[in-house]
Amino acid sequence: GAGVSQSPRYKVAKRGQDVALRCDPISGHVSLFWYQQALGQGPEFLTYFQNEAQLDKSGLPSDRFFAERPEGSVSTLKIQRTQQEDSAVYLCASRYGETQYFGPGTRLLVL
Amino acid sequence: QKEVEQNSGPLSVPEGAIASLNCTYSDRGSQSFFWYRQYSGKSPELIMFIYSNGDKEDGRFTAQLNKASQYVSLLIRDSQPSDSATYLCAVLNTGGFKTIFGAGTRLFVKA
Repeated sequence: GAGVSQSPRYKVAKRGQDVALRCDPISGHVSLFWYQQALGQGPEFLTYFQNEAQLDKSGLPSDRFFAERPEGSVSTLKIQRTQQEDSAVYLCASRYGETQYFGPGTRLLVL
Repeated sequence: QKEVEQNSGPLSVPEGAIASLNCTYSDRGSQSFFWYRQYSGKSPELIMFIYSNGDKEDGRFTAQLNKASQYVSLLIRDSQPSDSATYLCAVLNTGGFKTIFGAGTRLFVKA
């Protein structure tokens, strides 16, 4: 693939529902990041993977958030029991050298 | 104090003028600094990165870094309406993998 892809692009969830967001990084990129971007704000770091190892998850807002990258390529961000405050754009990025390449994001709306 | 601070704007400049965007950061150990451009509804894209004190030029863009003052700036010469976007300042933390973003400055270039 030419770039980072994410799915779904849009997700509407009822409060309390579980959601799973997928990220396909650029092939060969070992570093993968998840960010949360609220309206009018910059991306906020959630978690970082190097290959399959989750090296930093300090930005995950609560234990309802869980991320994995079991084979070192595709990553999934899971949010359990969604709350309205989880509504945001979730961005995935993979990195080569100093450059992070962002996917188009998943826009999550929790009603 | 936020780790990376930017004036939210909006900054409005006429076409052909120089746009000056500023950013301060708190982590004195930071080594790498980035400017991203984000169009409305799109994901961030890297414009420039800078490591060393001084200026770095790339086409119409010049990044300036002053580590003693913990200050980074971006100059856009001959501003075009297509430059209208939000500009995000980002800093790589001392650990070397966690990127902290500012909230962004909205730039409007009037034709």
